[in-house]
Amino acid sequence: DTAVSQTPKYLVTQMGNDKSIKCEQNLGHDTMYWYKQDSKKFLKIMFSYNNKELIINETVPNRFSPKSPDKAHLNLHINSLELGDSAVYFCASSQDLGAGVYNEQFFGPGTRLTVL
Amino acid sequence: DAKTTQPTSMDCAEGRAANLPCNHSTISGNEYVYWYRQIHSQGPQYIIHGLKNNETNEMASLIITEDRKSSTLILPHATLRDTAVYYCIVRVRRDDKIIFGKGTRLHILP
Repeated sequence: DTAVSQTPKYLVTQMGNDKSIKCEQNLGHDTMYWYKQDSKKFLKIMFSYNNKELIINETVPNRFSPKSPDKAHLNLHINSLELGDSAVYFCASSQDLGAGVYNEQFFGPGTRLTVL
Repeated sequence: DAKTTQPTSMDCAEGRAANLPCNHSTISGNEYVYWYRQIHSQGPQYIIHGLKNNETNEMASLIITEDRKSSTLILPHATLRDTAVYYCIVRVRRDDKIIFGKGTRLHILP
């Protein structure tokens, strides 16, 4: 199936640990994003990458480091996890139509991170 | 901050048309109106977008007022699977950020 996929779906870990969430899209898109949805259900963008280059970093702590090995993958690595990092993290992708015009975004199923 | 205002929640009977309003009184000329929805425990899903003309696709219709200060998303024959939070977003297509507000929680009643 063509889609945006994320692994793992659930992640439970202790404070202070380092963890990664993986995202892959097979839609042929060249722009990928990470969003965070907190307990109050607000959905906020964290990062976006276009052709493996970072183009948005929305005041996210530097404990969060996105890594894009190729334009189909955008992984999120989190160092020294804190309680406040508990949230659902969504990956998304879209197609750059050229001249800075982007098509609609397709979202993955989310990764529920719980920090104990 | 989100540039749109939506009711917190709405109910609609199954099989009826669900009409979800959105106010975007500060919209500028190059900004599009986008609608996404988020079904419980899933990622947001794109529904439709428009600039000034009414739009229709297989999922919904979008009616934008002539002054573009408000719009209505219409789900013509709501089913239980349409129960979700619906987000109205104003966005310049050149700006790839989506700023989500609180959305409208739509309950489809059997």
